[in-house]
Amino acid sequence: EAGVVQSPRYKIIEKKQPVAFWCNPISGHNTLYWYLQNLGQGPELLIRYENEEAVDDSQLPKDRFSAERLKGVDSTLKIQPAELGDSAVYLCASSLQPPALPGLAANEQFFGPGTRLTVL
Amino acid sequence: AQKITQTQPGMFVQEKEAVTLDCTYDTSDPSYGLFWYKQPSSGEMIFLIYQGSYDQQNATEGRYSLNFQKARKSANLVISASQLGDSAMYFCAMRGSSGGYQKVTFGTGTKLQVIP
Repeated sequence: EAGVVQSPRYKIIEKKQPVAFWCNPISGHNTLYWYLQNLGQGPELLIRYENEEAVDDSQLPKDRFSAERLKGVDSTLKIQPAELGDSAVYLCASSLQPPALPGLAANEQFFGPGTRLTVL
Repeated sequence: AQKITQTQPGMFVQEKEAVTLDCTYDTSDPSYGLFWYKQPSSGEMIFLIYQGSYDQQNATEGRYSLNFQKARKSANLVISASQLGDSAMYFCAMRGSSGGYQKVTFGTGTKLQVIP
């Protein structure tokens, strides 16, 4: 079974340029997550989709970041314009179900390899 | 709000020895879930083990076990018989309520290096 696929793996752009990242989750996984991981830190959630609906985008900087998951399968995360501080790894993850009630099944998230963005 | 604390930025362990990676958490939720993930240099986060807050027994998965002490709010990962391939970043995470949503919060990670 294929895992979570992300592309590109690496991207180098100049500041003020736009950039887009693509993610294809595990087949059958309805919930998709985009995370930001700064160097030496743990992942931080940017947005969570349940099917095509964004149900938690409270941490997404909406002035420059946008995301879509039009058909409830693959997803695109965009930054426009990029800033120096956006240099980080962008991780996509998927899970079979939305975060369940704690204490029940693990419903763990499966992560892709990430896209390492460098803004010059 | 929920918080995960990993106080060990880096750890060394001799091959074949056991090692404990520390994790403490803070939450006001009565029920929550705790996870450990491994992140090798390739970048992909790999799920290792899960503990539900109401689970009576500590979780085990092969060489991984989770030492869950609810009263102390700790969820330490124990890796037995360390292997060179265990060298990686390890993240503790908690699933609970935050800002009205169920979400997973990650710690800052511990870099484990296994010495031959």
